[in-house]
Amino acid sequence: DIQMTQSPSTLSASVGDRVTITCRASQSISNWLAWYQQNPGKAPKLLIYKASSLESGVPSRFSGSGSGTEFTLTISSLQPDDFATYYCQQYNSYWYTFGQGTKLEIK
Amino acid sequence: QVHLQESGPGLVKPSQTLSLTCTVSGASISSGPYYWSWIRQPAGKELEWIGRIFSSVSTNYNPSLKSRITISGDTSKNQFSLKLSSVTAADTAVYYCARLTQLHHVFDIWGQGTMVTVSS
Repeated sequence: DIQMTQSPSTLSASVGDRVTITCRASQSISNWLAWYQQNPGKAPKLLIYKASSLESGVPSRFSGSGSGTEFTLTISSLQPDDFATYYCQQYNSYWYTFGQGTKLEIK
Repeated sequence: QVHLQESGPGLVKPSQTLSLTCTVSGASISSGPYYWSWIRQPAGKELEWIGRIFSSVSTNYNPSLKSRITISGDTSKNQFSLKLSSVTAADTAVYYCARLTQLHHVFDIWGQGTMVTVSS
């Protein structure tokens, strides 16, 4: 199975900061990579699909990049609603796995 | 607007079978281009994909859970269901149903989730 490793596990930042979260796959997944945002007690929300495509309705301050085994999610200028936990998710051969999550905290 | 809603018991005894149903509105589970999926999340932990169903017939399961899972569909009620047998405390989690796109293989619409506790 393909393992997804996110870093960092926790990230402290301030409103207006630019932040980047990394997700590494244990083997190549081409660009079958998505990013989700999850707030406490809520279901995840899709942000990015196919590594770099922005889901409809998601603010343009969110962007994704990467291919193969290394991927990044960047938030260009943090807003108060962005403090949440972020997960990457891969697809490969009828199997889906998620990263362990990155909690974005207010500094 | 597509809406998913999970339902089922919140408490299951060890060794018994966990049964949950997802009711879908605003879309038909019998038509593409979507799969319908179950995902779970133990408290404070990462998300785990359980399995998916397409057109109420074709299924794929997480290999680590495959021996204990059955996902089925009822097109007359526009519902799909999860059965997880021989549960233990490790199966305690929030269970989500979600729509899975065939084109991009992402979970684009989620239910609110339902907490299931395995305890005697």
